[in-house]
Amino acid sequence: EVQLVESGGGLVQPGGSLRLSCAASGFTVSSNYMSWVRQAPGKGLEWVSVVYSGGTTYYADSVKGRFTISRDNSKNTLYLQMDSLRAEDTAVYYCSRDSSYWGQGTLVTVSS
Amino acid sequence: DVVMTQSPLSLPVTLGQPASISCRSSQSLVYSDGNTYLNWFQQRPGQSPRRLIYKVSNRDSGVPDRFSGSGSGTDFTLKISRVEAEDLGVYYCMQGTYWPYTFGQGTKLEIK
Repeated sequence: EVQLVESGGGLVQPGGSLRLSCAASGFTVSSNYMSWVRQAPGKGLEWVSVVYSGGTTYYADSVKGRFTISRDNSKNTLYLQMDSLRAEDTAVYYCSRDSSYWGQGTLVTVSS
Repeated sequence: DVVMTQSPLSLPVTLGQPASISCRSSQSLVYSDGNTYLNWFQQRPGQSPRRLIYKVSNRDSGVPDRFSGSGSGTDFTLKISRVEAEDLGVYYCMQGTYWPYTFGQGTKLEIK
């Protein structure tokens, strides 16, 4: 059974950093395209970043240069390193496997 | 970026009646491989998104056959043949042809 479990969210001050994790089971992370999608409170969905099986990565302009997507094949885990956080990054962050499977999300709140 | 425009944004429905949501993209979603990467998602209150339809008209596993997708090029439609109580929530179209992948604003399906 495919499962995605996000962790690492929390409250952080503007300018701070967080690393989100997405532990996967039931499939191999490196063999699929994996994404981070976020949803600000009461708002719609925004694709943040994607990493394809071959290693190519893409970022939304709103996070380019501040966020880094990566994966640890030995742990079968996807990560999102978030630096220079801003208030507008406040959202629930979801991990997804090729848009067909989604985790439960982890809340990131950027506030002083 | 490709802009996805959904209508209506609010859809009051009577249980047992049909419902239809339109999604229009700012450019053709036909990819160079001939596929059209247009997906539909359902998000129930307090839950993660769930993909219902991929590549315009293909139902995901476990999705009731009362859901159907159609369309081509820039115009797409999600239809529910007979709305049930469990269908209430927000529906999003999403294009996966061009990066950044983009979602529509969402259509809230609610009881009339």
